[in-house]
Parts: sequence; C-alpha cells; structure tokens
Amino acid sequence: KQEVTQIPAALSVPEGENLVLNCSFTDSAIYNLQWFRQDPGKGLTSLLLIQSSQREQTSGRLNASLDKSSGRSTLYIAASQPGDSATYLCAVDHMNTGFQKLVFGTGTRLLVSP
Amino acid sequence: DTAVSQTPKYLVTQMGNDKSIKCEQNLGHDTMYWYKQDSKKFLKIMFSYNNKELIINETVPNRFSPKSPDKAHLNLHINSLELGDSAVYFCASSQDPGVGYYGYTFGSGTRLTVV
Repeated sequence: KQEVTQIPAALSVPEGENLVLNCSFTDSAIYNLQWFRQDPGKGLTSLLLIQSSQREQTSGRLNASLDKSSGRSTLYIAASQPGDSATYLCAVDHMNTGFQKLVFGTGTRLLVSP
Repeated sequence: DTAVSQTPKYLVTQMGNDKSIKCEQNLGHDTMYWYKQDSKKFLKIMFSYNNKELIINETVPNRFSPKSPDKAHLNLHINSLELGDSAVYFCASSQDPGVGYYGYTFGSGTRLTVV
C-alpha cells in the first residue's frame, strides 16, 4: 500500500527565506509525482509535475526534485513571499493494479510573514 | 474556459436526504476521479472512471453512486446522507500516461455540510 508522508507538517518563516519541503513515499512504482498548492477554502493548483523518468522540474522560484529509488521528493521555494502562504501537497501517481491512482501526502502548511 | 468544473460549490442539507454533485471537464482527458477531503484536510480517492467505465472503487459505502454518462462528465449521487459525509468533494481528471501528459487537474471542490 502506497503511503506518502510530508515533513514538516507546518512551517513559519520570514519573507525572503529559501525553504525546503520534504515528501517521502513507500512504493517506488510510480508514474510521476505532482506538487499542488491549496489556499484555505480553495481548490488544488498544480505547481509542478515530475515524471518518473525525470529528476527535477523548475517553475519560477520553485524547484522540485525526485529520487524514485529512495522514495523522496523535495520542493524548494526560493526567496519566499507572503503570497506563498498556503498548504503544499505532494501526490504520487501510483500504479494500482494497472490503473492510475493519485495518493496524497498529509501536506505542509506554510506561513510566510512580511 | 474552466478546465474541470463542479456544481454546486456549496451544499447544505439535512441528514437522510439524497443529493448529487456534478462534474464536467473540457480537457479531453480519458479518466475522471472523485476525491474526498475530510475535516483533517486529508485527500483520498473515492472513485475513478476511464472512458465511462468504473475502474477504482475505494471501499466507499453503497450510498455513494458515481455515474459517467460520457467521458467528459462524472457525477456523484449520495443517498441517505449522514453527518459523517460532511467534507469537501473534489473532481479531477487526467490523461493516460504518455505523450502530452500533464498530470491531474482538479475542480474547485464542493463543500457538503450535513446537518
């Protein structure tokens, strides 16, 4: 059974700091890994998608890496801003009896203070 | 030009009632999903349909019945609503892995409150 864990559960930093969010998963048989952002009371916004053959993806101040063999991914946020405050969710697209299934982590709640 | 749209956005109803949530995607994706986000904010898959065929049913009570009239629509009907059904329900879609795969796209969610 695929299990996804995110550390830390919550993080509070001053504006301008670089930060790293961690995600680990128990089964390396994945199609890909996707990072999402969720603002309070809102839906999920896709940030980055890393396919199983890739090692990292970058979008603006965000960089996500994937080490499938060790079951780990990190999301690096450079020069954090108050607008980055949200919950960040890691999800692995797991091969479940031949069908796709996105399994979510428990999330990291980020607060960036001005 | 919304990619995955759900209606209604909010739903407040009494215990025992039957309600439906509708979902539509205009991305041409092959697979659609229903996810439930509980009070602790954890997201878990409920169902998935591929080209109108049910392929995943994650031991959801029989009171929940998904229906996919075509591959662009996936509705969720809930019978005899219980207090524990209160949650946010998200619809999502994805293309089959391969060329042009961009991951999962989620709708904005339906907040169901059972009183």
